[in-house]
Amino acid sequence: AQSVTQLDSQVPVFEEAPVELRCNYSSSVSVYLFWYVQYPNQGLQLLLKYLSGSTLVESINGFEAEFNKSQTSFHLRKPSVHISDTAEYFCAVSDRGSSNTGKLIFGQGTTLQVKP
Amino acid sequence: KAGVTQTPRYLIKTRGQQVTLSCSPISGHRSVSWYQQTPGQGLQFLFEYFSETQRNKGNFPGRFSGRQFSNSRSEMNVSTLELGDSALYLCASTRGGSNNEQFFGPGTRLTVL
Repeated sequence: AQSVTQLDSQVPVFEEAPVELRCNYSSSVSVYLFWYVQYPNQGLQLLLKYLSGSTLVESINGFEAEFNKSQTSFHLRKPSVHISDTAEYFCAVSDRGSSNTGKLIFGQGTTLQVKP
Repeated sequence: KAGVTQTPRYLIKTRGQQVTLSCSPISGHRSVSWYQQTPGQGLQFLFEYFSETQRNKGNFPGRFSGRQFSNSRSEMNVSTLELGDSALYLCASTRGGSNNEQFFGPGTRLTVL
C-alpha cells in the first residue's frame, strides 16, 4: 500500500519570499511522483512530475521539486512567490506498474496563502 | 485539443436518490479515473476504467459504480445517496501507458440534502 503525507496543512508566506511545501511518501514499490495545484472551484492541474532521470524537476512557472529516494520525499519549492500562487497544492504518487497507472494516491493538501 | 469535460457541473439531490455523472476524456485517451474530494477525507480514488474494463478500484461501497463506453466516455453512478456523498467528483484521463500523467476535468459538485 502507498501513502502520502503533506506535512503542513497551511503555509502562509509573504509575496516574493521563498516557500517549501513538504511531501513524504511511503511505498513498497517504485513510484511516480507528482505535484498538482488546485485553484478555487477548479479541477487539478499538473504542476510537475518525476518519472525517471534527474531527481530535480522544474515547472514552467518557477516551481521545482527534488526527489529524494533515501528520505522518500518530494518537496516543492519556489524561490519567490506571487499572489497568484495562492492555491491548494497536492502531492501524489502512483505505482509504476503498467496496470496501476490510472490510480493516484494523494496527500491531504497544503494551502499556500501568499500575502501582500 | 479539448480538455476533459464533466457534466453536469453542479447537482443537488436528496437522500435515497441515485445520480449519474458523466466524463468525456481527452481525445485519444483510453483511461478514465474517478476521484472523490471532500474537506474531511481529501482526494480519494474511486475507480479507473481502461478500454471499457474496470482496471483498478478504491475502497468505496458498492453503491458507487461506473462504466466506460467504446468511445472512452465514462459515467459513474451513486445509488441510495447519503449525506456523506456530498463532494466534488473529479475525473481524469490518461493515454493509459506507462507515462501516466493524468489530466483532470473541472469536477461535478454534488450536494445531497
